[in-house]
Amino acid sequence: RKEVEQDPGPFNVPEGATVAFNCTYSNSASQSFFWYRQDCRKEPKLLMSVYSSGNEDGRFTAQLNRASQYISLLIRDSKLSDSATYLCVVNKGNAGKSTFGDGTTLTVKP
Amino acid sequence: NAGVTQTPKFQVLKTGQSMTLQCAQDMNHEYMSWYRQDPGMGLRLIHYSVGAGITDQGEVPNGYNVSRSTTEDFPLRLLSAAPSQTSVYFCASSSKYSRNGNEQFFGPGTRLTVL
Repeated sequence: RKEVEQDPGPFNVPEGATVAFNCTYSNSASQSFFWYRQDCRKEPKLLMSVYSSGNEDGRFTAQLNRASQYISLLIRDSKLSDSATYLCVVNKGNAGKSTFGDGTTLTVKP
Repeated sequence: NAGVTQTPKFQVLKTGQSMTLQCAQDMNHEYMSWYRQDPGMGLRLIHYSVGAGITDQGEVPNGYNVSRSTTEDFPLRLLSAAPSQTSVYFCASSSKYSRNGNEQFFGPGTRLTVL
């Protein structure tokens, strides 16, 4: 079993749709959690950190459930520019040793 | 700030050749890492460093060496290239003092093909 598992996707949605991505992690010692966005053939960039209290950034909402070892990302009112691969990332400590999920690809269509 | 820079952007090697992928960061980050990304997959950690003079293995270290003589530079050496090392290589840096709690900043990647 992979340490970080994501919905395999792909997700194809119309503009304006709400879409949710799920991620589970297996190591209960994990300490910090992130969603990164990766555009085709480019480097990943931080979308948002994920906290137990939940956090929101505009149309994006991230949730963490430590008991279930589950992370989610909700995108409301999808835009064409949201088309990308979304990577769930888990850190066990501060050493820059991140474990990445395989990513979920989102395509938003007009 | 240039952030994280990587050279070269593209490289083609023959099986058995060796080469060094360069990575530099100008953010004074203490942590640096090398990842590889194969098609349709996430990033896998090759080696990482928590500071100058200190390195350790990640998930897929075989066939690669690293060293960190300065805070800024973290080169990745392929000892004897194999077709299985065809991949996109990303270097990243991070700091425990960053506002987003260990957010990793990535370089643009090196696309390596081994024939």
